Amino acid sequence: AQSVTQPDIHITVSEGASLELRCNYSYGATPYLFWYVQSPGQGLQLLLKYFSGDTLVQGIKGFEAEFKRSQSSFNLRKPSVHWSDAAEYFCAVALSGTYKYIFGTGTRLKVLA
Amino acid sequence: ETGVTQTPRHLVMGMTNKKSLKCEQHLGHNAMYWYKQSAKKPLELMFVYSLEERVENNSVPSRFSPECPNSSHLFLHLHTLQPEDSALYLCASSQVGAAGEQYFGPGTRLTVT
Repeated sequence: AQSVTQPDIHITVSEGASLELRCNYSYGATPYLFWYVQSPGQGLQLLLKYFSGDTLVQGIKGFEAEFKRSQSSFNLRKPSVHWSDAAEYFCAVALSGTYKYIFGTGTRLKVLA
Repeated sequence: ETGVTQTPRHLVMGMTNKKSLKCEQHLGHNAMYWYKQSAKKPLELMFVYSLEERVENNSVPSRFSPECPNSSHLFLHLHTLQPEDSALYLCASSQVGAAGEQYFGPGTRLTVT
């Protein structure tokens, strides 16, 4: 069955430190891959997406993610975290051209001043 | 208006009330979704409409009744809810048949008293 795993429920980093959020997926083929961010009480905002091509994708707010087919992973990274990055982050996959999206359970990021 | 809008943003209702949540997308998409997001639980897909037909109904209780009168509008009719139905209800849209992400509305925070 298709699934998305975000193994870290909570992550705490200091402001200015680097960040990596993990995402692994299980899918029959290479799906489309997404990272979303959600601030408290708000909807989900797209950070970045991967469809094909260069496996390192750049997103908004200084985030990037790398697709590794051999590891079925799509980890999100940021070199220097800002206090405003504190939020919940969701990894998602989609089957090309369909309405089927699968979300991970989310990773809540806390940033220490 | 741009993107996906939801009204109301906040709703408090008694268990015997009837209310409706409204979602409108201004993106020309052909699929719309309702999600439920409860505290400390994964994002739950409730309903999917693709090309105005309901294509997914994930064992949602009958006290939730969706309606999709056209490709731009989606409603969630609520009646005789339970306190455990209190949650953030998110609407999203996407374009089936094309590579693309879901766009989310800001959500309706529902409290059932």
